[in-house]
Amino acid sequence: SAVISQKPSRDICQRGTSLTIQCQVDSQVTMMFWYRQQPGQSLTLIATANQGSEATYESGFVIDKFPISRPNLTFSTLTVSNMSPEDSSIYLCSPGSGHEQFFGPGTRLTVL
Amino acid sequence: SQQGEEDPQALSIQEGENATMNCSYKTSINNLQWYRQNSGRGLVHLILIRSNEREKHSGRLRVTLDTSKKSSSLLITASRAADTASYFCATNTGNTPLVFGKGTRLSVIA
Repeated sequence: SAVISQKPSRDICQRGTSLTIQCQVDSQVTMMFWYRQQPGQSLTLIATANQGSEATYESGFVIDKFPISRPNLTFSTLTVSNMSPEDSSIYLCSPGSGHEQFFGPGTRLTVL
Repeated sequence: SQQGEEDPQALSIQEGENATMNCSYKTSINNLQWYRQNSGRGLVHLILIRSNEREKHSGRLRVTLDTSKKSSSLLITASRAADTASYFCATNTGNTPLVFGKGTRLSVIA
């Protein structure tokens, strides 16, 4: 399985600020998925990021709030912009696969 | 949107007992995957079962899949306190992103 790392592992931020989360994979992958897990909830897909094209966002998520970059096939970033306490969640990246799908260790974000 | 529904939402058992969690889904799938998540941590991949498979084993884990009923079950035998976690099922079709169920919180009491 791919080795997936995320930075930062956790952060506490003030409302109105932005945080960029990095996801690094040790092999080239075509698609990168970004998920959010709100406290006590399951995972919800934010967007799908392909290299060389704009990310595709799920209903309820917009690019202005969650801009994504995908500069190459091993790296992606998700920015949580203009944060509010409702953005407090774990954010996870996952390289797309037609088989077993693995996840990064997650970034635990707390917004005060 | 959530594809699957796990049942029960929470389960508490004694160490050594078996734990069974069920998952239902709504649409046709290529495969179904089970994950474990310890409190606030990342997801650990447990097992993948393909739509043409009915049963799969991995150590103390046994997964079944009934595509006619659009349901799956995860059995953990001889549970241990370390099995305490949330368990999620997730489905996809081909290269589509996974759609997760709501999860079952398992507590194994020593």
